[in-house]
Order: sequence, then C-alpha cells, then structure tokens
Amino acid sequence: EAGVAQSPRYKIIEKRQSVAFWCNPISGHATLYWYQQILGQGPKLLIQFQNNGVVDDSQLPKDRFSAERLKGVDSTLKIQPAKLEDSAVYLCASSDVRAEAFFGQGTRLTVV
Amino acid sequence: QKEVEQNSGPLSVPEGAIASLNCTYSDRGSQSFFWYRQYSGKSPELIMFIYSNGDKEDGRFTAQLNKASQYVSLLIRDSQPSDSATYLCAVGGGKLIFGQGTELSVKP
Repeated sequence: EAGVAQSPRYKIIEKRQSVAFWCNPISGHATLYWYQQILGQGPKLLIQFQNNGVVDDSQLPKDRFSAERLKGVDSTLKIQPAKLEDSAVYLCASSDVRAEAFFGQGTRLTVV
Repeated sequence: QKEVEQNSGPLSVPEGAIASLNCTYSDRGSQSFFWYRQYSGKSPELIMFIYSNGDKEDGRFTAQLNKASQYVSLLIRDSQPSDSATYLCAVGGGKLIFGQGTELSVKP
C-alpha cells in the first residue's frame, strides 16, 4: 500500500514570497491533516479535512495560509506572503474511519 | 491549559530498563489516543493506539489509558538504544491534537 506522498521535500524562499505544498493521501482515506512542526515542538494542527469539507481550521493563519482539497483526494497548502516564522516542517497525514493517522515525509520550508 | 501535555524531558534510561512516558489531555470527549515515535529529521511514526480504558500491549510497548483521570501513558520494556527518539502523544475526538513530545535517550 502506497503511503502519503508530499512534495516538494525541501523549499527555500525569501520572505514575502509565496509557496505551495502538495499532498496525496493514502488511497481511501477520507481524513487529511496539515500540520506545522517547528524544530523542538510537537506538530501543530493547521487544518483537518473530512472528504471535501473542513473539520477544523482554528489554528490556520487565514490572512496568509490557505488550503484546499479538491474532489476529496489531493490537497494543497499555500502560504502567501511568507514570513520568517513560517520556517518549519509541513506535515501531511491521512486516516480512515479508525482515525489512525499516517504521515508523509514532510516538506522542510526555510524562509530567508 | 494546553490540550495535550507531556513531560518535557529529556528522559534518560539505561539499556534494558523500563521507560515510562506520560501524557494528559483536557477534552473529556476525546475518544482515541495514539503514541508516535519521531526520529530526528524524520516524520512521526505510529507505534501504539488505544481506545478503551486499561492496558494494551504490543511487544515491548504497553499503552495505558485512564479516561477518568484524562491520562495516557506508554511503557517501553527492555529499552534499547534504537528506542532513542522523541515520543509524541496524540489525542483524537473530532480533531487530532499532538503534545509537545518527550525526548527519550537510552544509554548503552
């Protein structure tokens, strides 16, 4: 069974630029999560989708972050404009009805 | 109050000892509880899940859940140097929330 796929693996951008991350969940998984993990901290939930709908986005900085999940499968997370404090690993995870979430390899973002 | 709290660590144990990792959560409606292991520079890896009060054993790992006390723990028996990692507690019940993680170091 293929795992969660994320791209790119690494990204370096200048502050005020925009960036987008892509995630393809495990086939059949209805729930998709985006987390931000800053070095030394636990993953922080940014947004959780159930199929096409948003379950929770209370921690998503909506003035600069946006996310979508078209057709209930792939998802894209965008940051525009990026700030220095957005430097982190962005993790995508997916789960089925049993709620056991599996993670992709993550995208390491550096904002300079 | 944080939704999911863990001992900040680091926790250091000698090889062969039992490592005990603890986690408390604030939402009484939480229904599912997970332990993830994260090696440096890698993504979290699911190692245990528990849904009911009591103990659940899987090899050297035992997860313990006490919903009345809003407490979940992970015991690692016969700790090995390869167990050295950060252990993340996650709690689900609508949304999946992680604690800050506890760094475990197993000394040979």
